[in-house]
Amino acid sequence: DTGVSQDPRHKITKRGQNVTFRCDPISEHNRLYWYRQTLGQGPEFLTYFQNEAQLEKSRLLSDRFSAERPKGSFSTLEIQRTEQGDSAMYLCASTLRDRDYEQYFGPGTRLTVT
Amino acid sequence: GQSLEQPSEVTAVEGAIVQINCTYQTSGFYGLSWYQQHDGGAPTFLSYNGLDGLEETGRFSSFLSRSDSYGYLLLQELQMKDSASYFCAVQYNFNKFYFGSGTKLNVKP
Repeated sequence: DTGVSQDPRHKITKRGQNVTFRCDPISEHNRLYWYRQTLGQGPEFLTYFQNEAQLEKSRLLSDRFSAERPKGSFSTLEIQRTEQGDSAMYLCASTLRDRDYEQYFGPGTRLTVT
Repeated sequence: GQSLEQPSEVTAVEGAIVQINCTYQTSGFYGLSWYQQHDGGAPTFLSYNGLDGLEETGRFSSFLSRSDSYGYLLLQELQMKDSASYFCAVQYNFNKFYFGSGTKLNVKP
């Protein structure tokens, strides 16, 4: 257990539905990253926050994806109008600002779109 | 864009030493990290190289050569519990990370 929690751990949804995932980082970590991982691949960067500010978003990320970190603590990732291609593990990681390279990952949310 | 190459699979016996190589092509390179991921688990940080040379952490060591765009992870005294996937990840443009596809390490008795 790294101290990063994610909820839910599993989500099954029908195509076209909206889903929202939550990540609670380690409390003293001010940076929070979201990644997507599919089977046999490494984590793919989606977006990251420093405190409550979203500083970077992958150009590969569809407009259907949005993320927030309203008070600089927990974060949510929403996917609107889900597609089967969105099926993946969604990972959250938190870090200290001056040790970005040492990322503490949560257990992930596995999304299955039917 | 970014690209990383690492072997897809490596097999070694318990007690042996194994080296997992990683070559990269990236602009704005800052450093190279290594992560371990067991099946069904989350990636766990192992090591980071921001400068050329060797970093040692217990049974694990990592090496970086910026001039060769190359790094490796060295695992010594292999144990069965080391069976997992190992990812190298480049840090670029200060705060962005690109992960390789991973190397599946099989440790046999």
